[in-house]
Amino acid sequence: EAQVTQNPRYLITVTGKKLTVTCSQNMNHEYMSWYRQDPGLGLRQIYYSMNVEVTDKGDVPEGYKVSRKEKRNFPLILESPSPNQTSLYFCASRSQGLNNYGYTFGSGTRLTVV
Amino acid sequence: GQQLNQSPQSMFIQEGEDVSMNCTSSSIFNTWLWYKQDPGEGPVLLIALYKAGELTSNGRLTAQFGITRKDSFLNISASIPSDVGIYFCAGQGNSGTYKYIFGTGTRLKVLA
Repeated sequence: EAQVTQNPRYLITVTGKKLTVTCSQNMNHEYMSWYRQDPGLGLRQIYYSMNVEVTDKGDVPEGYKVSRKEKRNFPLILESPSPNQTSLYFCASRSQGLNNYGYTFGSGTRLTVV
Repeated sequence: GQQLNQSPQSMFIQEGEDVSMNCTSSSIFNTWLWYKQDPGEGPVLLIALYKAGELTSNGRLTAQFGITRKDSFLNISASIPSDVGIYFCAGQGNSGTYKYIFGTGTRLKVLA
């Protein structure tokens, strides 16, 4: 089954404790992206990657890091989480170019930073 | 960052009623997508539109790509309780990284 898998689904952590949210896709997609979803703000892009070793900032990159060492994986790293990073996070992937079918999303990671 | 204006923000409707929502942008898009997000899940693609004026259906859902290329509409006919969720539009430009911009969502609640 074609899918984007992210883990964990739920995470509660303390301020300053480094964490990584993993993301993997099995569709051989070039593009991968991380979004956060907050009430009333919709989906905001954190970082995206156009291919292996090619990443760039989205609209809200502060406090986050990513890496793309393999085509299928795109982990999101929070080096020193803060309470304002409490949110619902989605990883997504798509093929490149125009007339694609948009992003396929993972099931989400609900992060709480206390 | 740029976001689309999506309306309404939320709506309560009675089961069996038709629903309309729309997205508008100051930018021209080459692709419009409509997603649905069920509670506790990620968004799932409903309809993709690639040409100005295009009208596409998926069951009880119909979406249109506005002729100005700056707006799109989604209609749901004869709503049922499982239509509840958040509906997002997304537009893709025609340059650079072909980035997708998402609307802020329409939260739909259906009263049985």
